[in-house]
Amino acid sequence: SQQGEEDPQALSIQEGENATMNCSYKTSINNLQWYRQNSGRGLVHLILIRSNEREKHSGRLRVTLDTSKKSSSLLITASRAADTASYFCATDGWTGANNLFFGTGTRLTVIP
Amino acid sequence: SQTIHQWPATLVQPVGSPLSLECTVEGTSNPNLYWYRQAAGRGLQLLFYSVGIGQISSEVPQNLSASRPQDRQFILSSKKLLLSDSGFYLCAWSLRGTQYFGPGTRLLVL
Repeated sequence: SQQGEEDPQALSIQEGENATMNCSYKTSINNLQWYRQNSGRGLVHLILIRSNEREKHSGRLRVTLDTSKKSSSLLITASRAADTASYFCATDGWTGANNLFFGTGTRLTVIP
Repeated sequence: SQTIHQWPATLVQPVGSPLSLECTVEGTSNPNLYWYRQAAGRGLQLLFYSVGIGQISSEVPQNLSASRPQDRQFILSSKKLLLSDSGFYLCAWSLRGTQYFGPGTRLLVL
């Protein structure tokens, strides 16, 4: 399966701390994306990192990609209560339809 | 700008009843469209995708079907719902590899 796996499954931190979530995948990719899902809502795209990139920043988000280890990490710095959500990594497929394969997600809880 | 709509937001249906969930996209032409199902606390399972009108690809065998009667309309259907069809159904469209999701429909089959 091309599906990614996030680690940990759940993470609880205090507001202001940094949160790190990891994703591992099995096949070669063109890019890897991270999405966020608030409870009962649709997914929102956060950031895309291409296979030839090693690190990318967007605001308080930092994503790394290690294609040799087939892994990625998402770091949220100075977390806020509003960051509480589930975070999913997604890798692209080879069907020519821009299909994405999502992991099972990390449930982040930021305690005020 | 592009927007994606799904309805209804929630649905409670008896076992054996039919289903029709609708998804429409505005502000783009010839989008790739997707239907996902998400079980409680789980990841997303791709059910169907479409690269054009009348073109539907199914990822997993199941009790559901999909249709794309118009360029920006994607419909998920079932003739007879099963208890296992309960879940959160998400529609998405894609642009240059990134997918944009609708608000989802929560389906409860009793």
